[in-house]
Amino acid sequence: GAVVSQHPSWVICKSGTSVKIECRSLDFQATTMFWYRQFPKQSLMLMATSNEGSKATYEQGVEKDKFLINHASLTLSTLTVTSAHPEDSSFYICSAGAHWRVKSTDTQYFGPGTRLTVL
Amino acid sequence: QKEVEQNSGPLSVPEGAIASLNCTYSDRVSQSFFWYRQYSGKSPELIMSIYSNGDKEDGRFTAQLNKASQYVSLLIRDSQPSDSATYLCAVNMFKGSGGYNKLIFGAGTRLAVHP
Repeated sequence: GAVVSQHPSWVICKSGTSVKIECRSLDFQATTMFWYRQFPKQSLMLMATSNEGSKATYEQGVEKDKFLINHASLTLSTLTVTSAHPEDSSFYICSAGAHWRVKSTDTQYFGPGTRLTVL
Repeated sequence: QKEVEQNSGPLSVPEGAIASLNCTYSDRVSQSFFWYRQYSGKSPELIMSIYSNGDKEDGRFTAQLNKASQYVSLLIRDSQPSDSATYLCAVNMFKGSGGYNKLIFGAGTRLAVHP
């Protein structure tokens, strides 16, 4: 259980175009999804937290108009990188939060990631 | 001071040995702690979660938590070359309105298990 998928797994685009990345929780409902970015040899950087049906909360320094997040349902969140530039090239990873009633706690499960290359 | 600190390594251990990975955190209120494994070019994979002081064992892995010392560790027994990866310590912190928590990650410790 607790499987998260991400699509596409990799994408190459031209500078100035927009790219949409989908994140789905396959076997559980995730009220909260998280978007991370990871540059080579660096740790995960949280970009934003999205709750189903409400606006995403962005971390400091992350441009909300550039990284559009939509959390339309309990199993789907999307990240759109608008007007992408080469410096946006990175590994984008989503995670979905699962609440386990027995443990009364939340656990995050990660998708496989999307490698974005902007030419 | 960083919120979650780990030694970046690399930690090099021979096959069959015990690998010990350590992590300290700054927020005394934290209640949930996680260890993730990340292979190069892949996304993190959950290995262990721990919520109470003491030890928690799962197969070859043992997580240890000491909230008084704000310290969490991961022991890997009988280390295998396939365990070679970066191990991320993550601490769950309640940060915002709406009732959601967010994970604060350490920078990760790179483990190399050599035959």
